[in-house]
Amino acid sequence: QKEVEQNSGPLSVPEGAIASLNCTYSDRVSQSFFWYRQYSGKSPELIMSIYSNGDKEDGRFTAQLNKASQYVSLLIRDSQPSDSATYLCAVYSSASKIIFGSGTRLSIRP
Amino acid sequence: ETGVTQTPRHLVMGMTNKKSLKCEQHLGHNAMYWYKQSAKKPLELMFVYNFKEQTENNSVPSRFSPECPNSSHLFLHLHTLQPEDSALYLCASSGDGQGNSPLHFGNGTRLTVT
Repeated sequence: QKEVEQNSGPLSVPEGAIASLNCTYSDRVSQSFFWYRQYSGKSPELIMSIYSNGDKEDGRFTAQLNKASQYVSLLIRDSQPSDSATYLCAVYSSASKIIFGSGTRLSIRP
Repeated sequence: ETGVTQTPRHLVMGMTNKKSLKCEQHLGHNAMYWYKQSAKKPLELMFVYNFKEQTENNSVPSRFSPECPNSSHLFLHLHTLQPEDSALYLCASSGDGQGNSPLHFGNGTRLTVT
């Protein structure tokens, strides 16, 4: 089992709709979770950090964490074409390192 | 200048060359990292430095040699690389190496080994 798993996509969502990105992780004691956005040919940029169970909202983005299910998700409301990118889930593991998933490619169609 | 700066942006080198990648952070962070990103693979952690001390070497071949002279600068010395080492090399920094603070990435160096 991979330490951090994401569906590679591509996930195609119409403009204005909600995009839902999911991530599961294997290390039960992980405490810190991050979502990064990476445009093609660019480096990852941080979108959200979440540390406790529940929802955390920042503008059009909502991160959701469920530690019991070892599941973290990112919702993007009112999706825009500029949201088209690869979204990376990252987890700080008990081995004291940040592990990345392989990313989900999101495409927003006009 | 702010953020994390990496040079060069692109590098082409032969298998017998020696080159170095440079990273500088202006965020006042104490931890610095090297990651490798190959096509269709997750980001792979290579090295971690916390307060200039190496705290992680993720079984990286010795042809990659990191150097961290202070908390703001990080180098990756390359020698006798293989074509499969061609990838995007990303430097990152964080407040500390404890994981509560997120990583901030530089723009990366696109390395091609011929």
